[in-house]
Amino acid sequence: GQQVMQIPQYQHVQEGEDFTTYCNSSTTLSNIQWYKQRPGGHPVFLIQLVKSGEVKKQKRLTFQFGEAKKNSSLHITATQTTDVGTYFCAGNNNDMRFGAGTRLTVKP
Amino acid sequence: NAGVTQTPKFQVLKTGQSMTLQCAQDMNHEYMSWYRQDPGMGLRLIHYSVGAGITDQGEVPNGYNVSRSTTEDFPLRLLSAAPSQTSVYFCASSQDIGGYGYTFGSGTRLTVV
Repeated sequence: GQQVMQIPQYQHVQEGEDFTTYCNSSTTLSNIQWYKQRPGGHPVFLIQLVKSGEVKKQKRLTFQFGEAKKNSSLHITATQTTDVGTYFCAGNNNDMRFGAGTRLTVKP
Repeated sequence: NAGVTQTPKFQVLKTGQSMTLQCAQDMNHEYMSWYRQDPGMGLRLIHYSVGAGITDQGEVPNGYNVSRSTTEDFPLRLLSAAPSQTSVYFCASSQDIGGYGYTFGSGTRLTVV
């Protein structure tokens, strides 16, 4: 069945450094979604990518969908302490599979 | 709009007990689903529903039952709780299975002793 792998599992950065998490699917996806979960909270939908090679930006966050629609990345420029949390990708191939998430911690 | 409401927020069960986790949404979403979240394993799909009267199994359905008698409600039943079911459970809803973002409830933290 469909597998969605996400790396790294953990990332610790100094405030102001950049951060990237990567998501890879074993199958071609119809679309991919990204979520953020603050510590002790629930996942919150950030964005959806649908087109091959699509790039979307939300302030300091940049989301990319690979040309083959099997991988994606989330890049945060100049991290802030408010970026702390776990970032999940979710790939859709007739059902939605979540990656294991990347837990980001930011040292002030 | 309340969004997705889950109750209870916390629960402790003894092994062998049964219970129902409640989930309700007020967004008229057709798709609803239950996930469990364990450390390092992300969100794993337990059961889902694409509309009232329709349910299906996800990745980890064993030990759980669901029903969907109305669009709004999607309860999750633990038949005979086991320590392996200790987890955080999230209910989510969306307009459909994968074309729109999911709205998650605030979760139920379940401990089985």
